[in-house]
Amino acid sequence: DAGVIQSPRHEVTEMGQEVTLRCKPISGHDYLFWYRQTMMRGLELLIYFNNNVPIDDSGMPEDRFSAKMPNASFSTLKIQPSEPRDSAVYFCASSFLSISSGRAWLLDNEQFFGPGTRLTVL
Amino acid sequence: QQQVKQSPQSLIVQKGGISIINCAYENTAFDYFPWYQQFPGKGPALLIAIRPDVSEKKEGRFTISFNKSAKQFSLHIMDSQPGDSATYFCAASIPGGGADGLTFGKGTHLIIQP
Repeated sequence: DAGVIQSPRHEVTEMGQEVTLRCKPISGHDYLFWYRQTMMRGLELLIYFNNNVPIDDSGMPEDRFSAKMPNASFSTLKIQPSEPRDSAVYFCASSFLSISSGRAWLLDNEQFFGPGTRLTVL
Repeated sequence: QQQVKQSPQSLIVQKGGISIINCAYENTAFDYFPWYQQFPGKGPALLIAIRPDVSEKKEGRFTISFNKSAKQFSLHIMDSQPGDSATYFCAASIPGGGADGLTFGKGTHLIIQP
């Protein structure tokens, strides 16, 4: 498996422009997460989906941010309009919840992260 | 999301030494505590994880020590090697394991000097 795929890897845009980040989760995973990483705030959970349905979007900073998951193999995070303070690395992660006993339970809840998209808003 | 406090922010250890990173949490509902390792230009990757029903978990040179009453847990890297140089994040989540979003610490930038 290729792992979680994110595109683009780098994005430079000007303030006010729309930015769309894309993610392809690992096949068979039913959870998808969007995180943002900055030096000041570290890794922050923005939103996550289960079976393509948004479960918790309380981490989305404001209405300028929106996320969709139209099918099990694709998700987007959109920022419109973008601002310089949105500059960060955005990660997508996926996982598969397996209800089982024993040590394997922990491994089955592992979140697999993509390589990230480094966004710079000028 | 409840906070997870991680320290130190950066750490330099000599090759062969023990690296220790500490985390403290507030939400007593947390029941899953993973550590993630991140190399430059890469996404975080799960290193080791623990649940509060045990006080210690060891995998190779990596050990998690867990103190439920103090609401603290730590990562120990024995015989630290230059290849261990990375940023380490502790994290926690509520019941459901990592299927719910993780609350991460701010990270520790670890440098192992040869």
